[in-house]
Amino acid sequence: DIQMTQSPSSLAASVGDRVTITCQANHDISNYVNWYQQQPGKAPRVLIFDASNLETGVPSRFSGSGSGTHFSFTINSLQPEDFATYYCQQYDSLPYTFGQGTKLEIK
Amino acid sequence: LLQESGPGLVKPSQTLSLTCTVSGDSIKSGSYYWTWIRVPAGKRPEWCGRIYRSGVTDYNPSLKSRITLSLDSSKNQFSLTLTSVTAEDTALYYCARMAAYTFDLWGPGTVVTVSS
Repeated sequence: DIQMTQSPSSLAASVGDRVTITCQANHDISNYVNWYQQQPGKAPRVLIFDASNLETGVPSRFSGSGSGTHFSFTINSLQPEDFATYYCQQYDSLPYTFGQGTKLEIK
Repeated sequence: LLQESGPGLVKPSQTLSLTCTVSGDSIKSGSYYWTWIRVPAGKRPEWCGRIYRSGVTDYNPSLKSRITLSLDSSKNQFSLTLTSVTAEDTALYYCARMAAYTFDLWGPGTVVTVSS
């Protein structure tokens, strides 16, 4: 299985801040990474696909980059509704696997 | 829309059965994989398996000997069966649609607890 190591596991920030989350794969997975947001009590929602493409309807303050084994996800100018848990997920090979998640909390 | 249903409590060694009802789309149309993903409390999501409209399935090797996915096109549903459950199968279970390698549509999830 491809292991996805996501960091940090938690992060405290303020409204208006810029935050970055990283994900490292233990094998080259090209750009086959998605990023999801999960708010409490809700199902995950895809924000970024193919490492850097913004899903339709997702605000442009969200962005992703990377290829190979290193990936990053950035939120510019945090909004109150952005405080949630974020996951990376690889689809290079089965079984699809997820990072352990980053809980973004209000400072 | 996707909606999971099934018992919230299952006894150890018994079989867990969940159903996902799909509305607004036919499970026999489009190039979608219908999938199950579970999230144990405090752990990362785990992809359980997927089924295509043709009935072809892929399973997570960690579950392969215990898991079966099936389709019921007459009811526009797909199902998960997991045998010989243990406490480690306690989780929030989601059904989801995979389109172009993205889980783009999810059910609200259902909690399954394995306990005597």
